[in-house]
Amino acid sequence: AQTVTQSQPEMSVQEAETVTLSCTYDTSESDYYLFWYKQPPSRQMILVIRQEAYKQQNATENRFSVNFQKAAKSFSLKISDSQLGDAAMYFCAYRSDYYGGSQGNLIFGKGTKLSVKP
Amino acid sequence: GAVVSQHPSRVICKSGTSVKIECRSLDFQATTMFWYRQFPKQSLMLMATSNEGSKATYEQGVEKDKFLINHASLTLSTLTVTSAHPEDSSFYICSATIPDFRSYNEQFFGPGTRLTVL
Repeated sequence: AQTVTQSQPEMSVQEAETVTLSCTYDTSESDYYLFWYKQPPSRQMILVIRQEAYKQQNATENRFSVNFQKAAKSFSLKISDSQLGDAAMYFCAYRSDYYGGSQGNLIFGKGTKLSVKP
Repeated sequence: GAVVSQHPSRVICKSGTSVKIECRSLDFQATTMFWYRQFPKQSLMLMATSNEGSKATYEQGVEKDKFLINHASLTLSTLTVTSAHPEDSSFYICSATIPDFRSYNEQFFGPGTRLTVL
C-alpha cells in the first residue's frame, strides 16, 4: 500500500520569504501523480500544484514550485515570496495511475500547518 | 475549474437520527465521486468511492450499513449517516472526478459538511 509522510506538523515563514514543505512517499508503482493541496480555514481544498511521475521536469505554478526526486521518493513544495494568504494547512497527496487499476482516490499526508508572519 | 457543491454545509442532529449529505457536480458529469472524513486538525481519510450506477466501494474499517452511499446520477452522490452518534461528528468532504485518459483526472472538492451529533 502507498503511504505519504509529512514530517513537519507546523512551519512558519516571514512574509516575502521562502519556505519549503517536505513530503516523502512510499510506493512500488512506477506511474503515479503527486499533488499539493492547500486547505485554508474555510476547509475548502484547493489544488496548488501537481506532478506527473513520468515527467522529470519539476512543476511550477507562479510562486509555487516542487522538487521532485523520484528515486528518493521525495516531493517538496517551495513557496517563494510568501504572502499572508498562503497561511493554511498544506497536504501532500498521492494518486495511482488510473489506468493501472486505481479508481483515482487520493492518499493524503497528515498535513503541515503553515503560518505567515507579517 | 469545475464546481462541486455540498448540502448542507452544516448540520446538527440528535443521537439516533439519520442525516443525508448531498454532493453535486454542477457543471460536469462525474462518473466517480469520493467521500472523505476529516477530524479536527487531522488529514482527510477516504471513506468510500462511488461510481454512478453501481455499489460504492468502502475502505477497510468503514461500516457500510452506517454510511450509506448512493450515486444515483452522474451529477449527484449522497452520503447518509444512519443512526448517528456523537462519535460520527466530523467534517465530511466529497470530491468528483472525470476519468479521462487525456487528463490527469483532477479531483474537484466540495466545500465540506460539518456534522455535529448531540
